[in-house]
Amino acid sequence: EAQVTQNPRYLITVTGKKLTVTCSQNMNHEYMSWYRQDPGLGLRQIYYSMNVEVTDKGDVPEGYKVSRKEKRNFPLILESPSPNQTSLYFCASSRDPTNTEAFFGQGTRLTVV
Amino acid sequence: GQQVMQIPQYQHVQEGEDFTTYCNSSTTLSNIQWYKQRPGGHPVFLIQLVKSGEVKKQKRLTFQFGEAKKNSSLHITATQTTDVGTYFCAGVYGNNRLAFGKGNQVVVIP
Repeated sequence: EAQVTQNPRYLITVTGKKLTVTCSQNMNHEYMSWYRQDPGLGLRQIYYSMNVEVTDKGDVPEGYKVSRKEKRNFPLILESPSPNQTSLYFCASSRDPTNTEAFFGQGTRLTVV
Repeated sequence: GQQVMQIPQYQHVQEGEDFTTYCNSSTTLSNIQWYKQRPGGHPVFLIQLVKSGEVKKQKRLTFQFGEAKKNSSLHITATQTTDVGTYFCAGVYGNNRLAFGKGNQVVVIP
């Protein structure tokens, strides 16, 4: 089954404690991206990756890092989480950035206290 | 950054009635995509429009792309309770990025 898998689904952490949210896709997609969703703000892109070892900033990259060492995985790293990073995060993948549908993971609800 | 504006942001719709949600951009879009997110779920792709003036139908859903490729609409007829959720449009700009609107949250009143 074609899918994008995120882990964990829920996470409560404390300010400053580094964390990683994993994302894996089994569709051999080249393009992957991370979004955060906040009430009234829609989906805002954090980072995206066009291919292995190619990543770039989206609209709200501050406080986040990503890596793309393998085609299937695109982890999101918060080196020093802060309460304003409390949000619902989605990973998405697609065959190309714009001409094909994006497949979204189930989401990770992160709370930073 | 580039963005698409969606209106309205919220809608309450009586079951059985029709409704429309709109998506507008200040610049020309390469194409536009529509997604639906059920409460507690993740966005799911509905359709992509590419050509100027394009109209596509999916059962009770009708999608339109404006002649100038700067706006789009989604019209749903005979609303059902399964239509509840948030509808997002995502504009594709020349720099090969998807920019999502803020969404239109739809509540269906039985």
